[in-house]
Amino acid sequence: DAGVTQSPTHLIKTRGQQVTLRCSPKSGHDTVSWYQQALGQGPQFIFQYYEEEERQRGNFPDRFSGHQFPNYSSELNVNALLLGDSALYLCASNPSPVAFGSGTRLTVV
Amino acid sequence: GENVEQHPSTLSVQEGDSAVIKCTYSDSASNYFPWYKQELGKGPQLIIDIRSNVGEKKDQRIAVTLNKTAKHFSLHITETQPEDSAVYFCAAIPGGSYIPTFGRGTSLIVHP
Repeated sequence: DAGVTQSPTHLIKTRGQQVTLRCSPKSGHDTVSWYQQALGQGPQFIFQYYEEEERQRGNFPDRFSGHQFPNYSSELNVNALLLGDSALYLCASNPSPVAFGSGTRLTVV
Repeated sequence: GENVEQHPSTLSVQEGDSAVIKCTYSDSASNYFPWYKQELGKGPQLIIDIRSNVGEKKDQRIAVTLNKTAKHFSLHITETQPEDSAVYFCAAIPGGSYIPTFGRGTSLIVHP
Protein backbone atom coordinates (compact mmCIF):
# COMPACT_ATOMS: atom_id res chain seq x y z
CA ASP A 1 0.00 0.00 0.00
CA ALA A 2 1.73 3.12 -1.26
CA GLY A 3 1.82 6.09 1.06
CA VAL A 4 1.79 9.70 -0.08
CA THR A 5 4.12 10.13 -3.05
CA GLN A 6 5.57 13.41 -4.30
CA SER A 7 7.56 14.37 -7.35
CA PRO A 8 10.12 15.58 -8.09
CA THR A 9 12.27 15.12 -4.97
CA HIS A 10 14.52 18.08 -5.76
CA LEU A 11 14.16 21.07 -8.06
CA ILE A 12 16.24 24.16 -8.84
CA LYS A 13 14.54 27.14 -10.45
CA THR A 14 15.48 30.74 -11.27
CA ARG A 15 13.72 33.77 -9.83
CA GLY A 16 10.64 34.70 -11.86
CA GLN A 17 10.10 31.19 -13.19
CA GLN A 18 7.07 29.00 -12.55
CA VAL A 19 7.09 25.55 -10.93
CA THR A 20 4.65 22.64 -10.67
CA LEU A 21 4.90 20.04 -7.91
CA ARG A 22 2.90 16.81 -7.86
CA CYS A 23 1.35 14.65 -5.17
CA SER A 24 -0.52 11.36 -5.06
CA PRO A 25 -2.42 10.75 -1.81
CA LYS A 26 -2.34 7.55 0.17
CA SER A 27 -4.63 4.90 -1.24
CA GLY A 28 -8.20 5.48 -0.04
CA HIS A 29 -7.58 9.14 0.89
CA ASP A 30 -9.53 11.78 -1.02
CA THR A 31 -8.22 14.97 0.58
CA VAL A 32 -4.87 16.58 -0.15
CA SER A 33 -3.18 19.41 1.74
CA TRP A 34 -0.01 21.27 0.82
CA TYR A 35 2.52 22.73 3.26
CA GLN A 36 5.66 24.85 2.97
CA GLN A 37 8.48 24.04 5.40
CA ALA A 38 11.34 26.54 5.54
CA LEU A 39 14.64 25.39 7.02
CA GLY A 40 14.42 25.10 10.80
CA GLN A 41 10.68 25.79 10.87
CA GLY A 42 7.51 23.82 11.23
CA PRO A 43 5.32 23.22 8.17
CA GLN A 44 2.97 26.05 7.18
CA PHE A 45 -0.41 25.23 5.67
CA ILE A 46 -0.85 26.47 2.09
CA PHE A 47 -4.24 25.01 1.07
CA GLN A 48 -6.38 21.89 1.03
CA TYR A 49 -8.24 20.22 -1.84
CA TYR A 50 -11.30 18.02 -1.60
CA GLU A 51 -13.58 16.93 -4.44
CA GLU A 52 -11.41 18.96 -6.83
CA GLU A 53 -12.17 22.20 -4.98
CA GLU A 54 -9.95 24.32 -2.75
CA ARG A 55 -11.62 23.89 0.64
CA GLN A 56 -9.44 26.05 2.85
CA ARG A 57 -6.41 28.27 2.36
CA GLY A 58 -3.63 29.51 4.60
CA ASN A 59 -1.92 32.86 4.46
CA PHE A 60 -0.19 32.52 1.09
CA PRO A 61 -0.37 34.88 -1.92
CA ASP A 62 -2.24 34.10 -5.12
CA ARG A 63 1.07 33.13 -6.75
CA PHE A 64 0.42 29.79 -5.05
CA SER A 65 -2.34 27.85 -6.76
CA GLY A 66 -3.37 24.26 -6.96
CA HIS A 67 -5.48 21.66 -8.62
CA GLN A 68 -6.94 18.28 -7.72
CA PHE A 69 -7.72 15.66 -10.34
CA PRO A 70 -10.57 13.12 -10.36
CA ASN A 71 -8.13 10.42 -9.16
CA TYR A 72 -7.44 12.64 -6.09
CA SER A 73 -3.87 13.46 -7.11
CA SER A 74 -2.92 17.10 -6.85
CA GLU A 75 -0.57 19.76 -8.20
CA LEU A 76 0.88 22.81 -6.53
CA ASN A 77 1.84 25.66 -8.85
CA VAL A 78 3.97 28.63 -7.86
CA ASN A 79 4.32 31.56 -10.26
CA ALA A 80 6.89 34.36 -10.32
CA LEU A 81 9.24 32.51 -7.98
CA LEU A 82 11.04 34.49 -5.29
CA LEU A 83 14.21 33.53 -3.42
CA GLY A 84 12.04 33.23 -0.30
CA ASP A 85 10.03 30.43 -1.91
CA SER A 86 13.00 28.11 -1.39
CA ALA A 87 11.71 25.44 1.00
CA LEU A 88 10.58 21.86 1.40
CA TYR A 89 7.05 21.48 0.02
CA LEU A 90 5.06 18.75 1.71
CA CYS A 91 1.86 17.07 0.69
CA ALA A 92 -0.40 15.32 3.18
CA SER A 93 -3.55 13.30 2.67
CA ASN A 94 -6.73 13.16 4.80
CA PRO A 95 -8.31 16.17 6.49
CA SER A 96 -6.07 15.86 9.53
CA PRO A 97 -2.49 15.52 8.27
CA VAL A 98 -1.94 11.89 9.16
CA ALA A 99 0.36 10.92 6.31
CA PHE A 100 2.91 13.25 4.78
CA GLY A 101 4.97 12.60 1.70
CA SER A 102 8.75 13.02 1.79
CA GLY A 103 8.46 16.38 0.11
CA THR A 104 9.95 18.30 -2.80
CA ARG A 105 13.00 20.41 -2.02
CA LEU A 106 12.68 23.60 -4.10
CA THR A 107 15.68 25.88 -4.43
CA VAL A 108 15.21 29.26 -6.11
CA VAL A 109 18.41 30.92 -7.31
CA GLY B 1 -5.03 33.21 14.64
CA GLU B 2 -3.49 30.33 16.52
CA ASN B 3 0.07 30.61 17.83
CA VAL B 4 2.01 27.55 19.00
CA GLU B 5 5.21 27.87 21.03
CA GLN B 6 7.46 24.82 21.41
CA HIS B 7 10.36 24.27 23.82
CA PRO B 8 13.15 23.39 23.93
CA SER B 9 14.51 23.87 20.42
CA THR B 10 17.23 21.29 21.10
CA LEU B 11 17.23 18.43 23.62
CA SER B 12 20.20 16.16 24.20
CA VAL B 13 19.78 13.05 26.39
CA GLN B 14 21.58 9.81 27.14
CA GLU B 15 20.11 6.55 25.93
CA GLY B 16 17.60 5.26 28.48
CA ASP B 17 16.76 8.71 29.85
CA SER B 18 13.35 10.35 29.47
CA ALA B 19 12.69 13.32 27.18
CA VAL B 20 9.95 15.92 27.55
CA ILE B 21 8.91 18.46 24.93
CA LYS B 22 6.43 21.20 25.80
CA CYS B 23 4.05 23.26 23.67
CA THR B 24 1.63 26.07 24.43
CA TYR B 25 -1.19 27.31 22.23
CA SER B 26 -3.23 30.49 22.20
CA ASP B 27 -6.59 29.66 20.58
CA SER B 28 -9.05 28.15 23.05
CA ALA B 29 -10.98 26.77 20.05
CA SER B 30 -8.16 24.32 19.30
CA ASN B 31 -9.29 20.81 20.14
CA TYR B 32 -6.91 18.45 18.33
CA PHE B 33 -3.20 18.22 19.09
CA PRO B 34 -1.02 15.90 16.98
CA TRP B 35 2.71 15.25 17.39
CA TYR B 36 5.02 14.45 14.49
CA LYS B 37 8.50 12.99 14.14
CA GLN B 38 10.59 14.11 11.19
CA GLU B 39 13.74 12.23 10.27
CA LEU B 40 16.35 13.65 7.92
CA GLY B 41 15.15 13.68 4.33
CA LYS B 42 11.64 12.54 5.20
CA GLY B 43 8.28 14.14 5.75
CA PRO B 44 6.77 14.40 9.24
CA GLN B 45 5.11 11.24 10.51
CA LEU B 46 2.29 11.29 13.06
CA ILE B 47 3.38 9.50 16.23
CA ILE B 48 0.59 10.31 18.67
CA ASP B 49 -2.31 12.72 19.03
CA ILE B 50 -4.75 13.87 21.66
CA ARG B 51 -8.17 15.50 21.58
CA SER B 52 -9.38 18.11 24.01
CA ASN B 53 -11.77 15.76 25.80
CA VAL B 54 -8.83 13.64 27.01
CA GLY B 55 -6.12 14.62 29.49
CA GLU B 56 -3.53 11.96 28.72
CA LYS B 57 -2.80 9.32 26.12
CA LYS B 58 -0.09 6.63 26.02
CA ASP B 59 1.35 4.44 23.32
CA GLN B 60 4.17 2.22 24.54
CA ARG B 61 7.13 4.54 25.34
CA ILE B 62 5.33 7.69 24.18
CA ALA B 63 2.74 9.69 26.09
CA VAL B 64 1.06 13.04 25.59
CA THR B 65 -0.62 15.19 28.24
CA LEU B 66 -2.98 18.11 27.74
CA ASN B 67 -3.92 20.89 30.15
CA LYS B 68 -6.77 22.82 28.51
CA THR B 69 -6.98 25.40 31.27
CA ALA B 70 -3.34 26.36 30.93
CA LYS B 71 -3.38 25.77 27.15
CA HIS B 72 -0.33 23.56 27.12
CA PHE B 73 0.44 20.02 26.03
CA SER B 74 3.55 17.90 26.33
CA LEU B 75 5.21 14.88 24.71
CA HIS B 76 6.96 12.40 26.99
CA ILE B 77 9.32 9.75 25.66
CA THR B 78 10.62 7.19 28.16
CA GLU B 79 13.60 4.84 27.80
CA THR B 80 14.93 6.82 24.85
CA GLN B 81 16.84 5.00 22.13
CA PRO B 82 19.24 6.35 19.46
CA GLU B 83 16.56 5.77 16.82
CA ASP B 84 14.38 8.32 18.63
CA SER B 85 16.80 11.00 17.41
CA ALA B 86 14.83 13.28 15.07
CA VAL B 87 12.98 16.61 14.97
CA TYR B 88 9.65 16.57 16.79
CA PHE B 89 6.80 18.97 16.00
CA CYS B 90 3.64 19.71 17.93
CA ALA B 91 0.56 21.17 16.26
CA ALA B 92 -2.82 22.57 17.24
CA ILE B 93 -5.98 22.47 15.12
CA PRO B 94 -9.15 24.43 15.97
CA GLY B 95 -12.48 22.66 15.83
CA GLY B 96 -14.14 22.95 12.42
CA SER B 97 -10.88 23.97 10.78
CA TYR B 98 -8.43 21.94 8.76
CA ILE B 99 -5.58 24.36 9.31
CA PRO B 100 -2.93 23.08 11.72
CA THR B 101 -0.49 25.48 13.32
CA PHE B 102 2.86 23.83 13.99
CA GLY B 103 5.47 24.63 16.58
CA ARG B 104 9.01 25.37 15.40
CA GLY B 105 10.27 21.91 16.26
CA THR B 106 12.57 20.26 18.81
CA SER B 107 15.72 18.51 17.69
CA LEU B 108 16.08 15.46 19.97
CA ILE B 109 19.52 13.86 20.13
CA VAL B 110 19.86 10.55 21.97
CA HIS B 111 23.47 9.63 22.72
CA PRO B 112 24.28 5.89 22.88
